[in-house]
Amino acid sequence: EPEVTQTPSHQVTQMGQEVILRCVPISNHLYFYWYRQILGQKVEFLVSFYNNEISEKSEIFDDQFSVERPDGSNFTLKIRSTKLEDSAMYFCAVLARREETQYFGPGTRLLVL
Amino acid sequence: GESVGLHLPTLSVQEGDNSIINCAYSNSASDYFIWYKQESGKGPQFIIDIRSNMDKRQGQRVTVLLNKTVKHLSLQIAATQPGDSAVYFCAENSAGGYNKLIFGAGTRLAVHP
Repeated sequence: EPEVTQTPSHQVTQMGQEVILRCVPISNHLYFYWYRQILGQKVEFLVSFYNNEISEKSEIFDDQFSVERPDGSNFTLKIRSTKLEDSAMYFCAVLARREETQYFGPGTRLLVL
Repeated sequence: GESVGLHLPTLSVQEGDNSIINCAYSNSASDYFIWYKQESGKGPQFIIDIRSNMDKRQGQRVTVLLNKTVKHLSLQIAATQPGDSAVYFCAENSAGGYNKLIFGAGTRLAVHP
């Protein structure tokens, strides 16, 4: 199973502040995804990223969100101006070449105060 | 750790018994299905998958059954162990895994000694 790490593991921020969540895939992956899970709810898709561009995004992924893979390794999710309702666990997932299964990282717990 | 799924349906079983977790999926076009296990404070962990051209697939102590007629998926865990205690999510996908995963609501499995 491919290893995926995420940093930070926990982030507390004030409403209106910018946060950057990072995903560091260990192996050479092809597709990258961000999902979130609000406490007590199911995992929800945010965005998928392939060949250095967004391939699909959900309604949740509005103008406050952006993703990039600036150095060909780290895959980041930026929330420009956080809202209280952005508080959730954010998971990065990766899809390796010639595979079908998305593997998830351990998540970043974001708390917006 | 995080308490995920405070209001999830719960299946309570005795150690050594078999467990069956059910899931209804939504999209008739989905052709790939995955079961994930999520322990408290961690990301979803891949358990087993099945493609729509199959109706049964077995792994180590786990079996997934797919009934496309009624859009139903089940996960059977044989000889359930305390380490199996977690929240279990089914997820559906199309186009061979590259698209977004759509997660079900989840079921909490509680294994009692």
